[in-house]
Amino acid sequence: SQKIEQNSEALNIQEGKTATLTCNYTNYSPAYLQWYRQDPGRGPVFLLLIRENEKEKRKERLKVTFDTTLKQSLFHITASQPADSATYLCALPRGGSQGNLIFGKGTKLSVKP
Amino acid sequence: KAGVTQTPRYLIKTRGQQVTLSCSPISGHRSVSWYQQTPGQGLQFLFEYFSETQRNKGNFPGRFSGRQFSNSRSEMNVSTLELGDSALYLCASSPGWLNTEAFFGQGTRLTVV
Repeated sequence: SQKIEQNSEALNIQEGKTATLTCNYTNYSPAYLQWYRQDPGRGPVFLLLIRENEKEKRKERLKVTFDTTLKQSLFHITASQPADSATYLCALPRGGSQGNLIFGKGTKLSVKP
Repeated sequence: KAGVTQTPRYLIKTRGQQVTLSCSPISGHRSVSWYQQTPGQGLQFLFEYFSETQRNKGNFPGRFSGRQFSNSRSEMNVSTLELGDSALYLCASSPGWLNTEAFFGQGTRLTVV
């Protein structure tokens, strides 16, 4: 069955450093992959979408890569700030429908001042 | 424009009771999906409705059901509540086609005692 794994449950880094989060998937060839941010007690908020034919996507301090051979996506936050502390989730569409997403369990990022 | 609205925000129910949760999607969005989020299992897909029809269904027992109205508003019902149904229930709306982001509501925190 399709599986999606985010390798680290938690990641602690110092302010100003680059945070790198990993998302791996198996038994699947998705057309695209998405990253979301979730703060405690709130719903996830969309950050970036990267398509299978795109190697890299950037948005301000965020960068996502997508390697369909390795079946892996990397999510980078450069010049990290305490306000970036949150749980980050990767998600893939299942069954050809955007409304049916498989989510990883998330990586909780803590940025210390 | 207004975001996704879920009501109520918090709910406490007794085992064996039933509960109905409501979701109002973003205006113009035809797809509404429901997810259950627990600390152990993460975000799990329940079902998706598109133009009043159930388009996809996750691996949950028949006690979980939903519907969508002609104005795209959706309700989710859980009958014969069990302690394990305690979770954050999230609703997401999207236009309904691929390569689009999902917009999540704040969620309904259901506690079954």
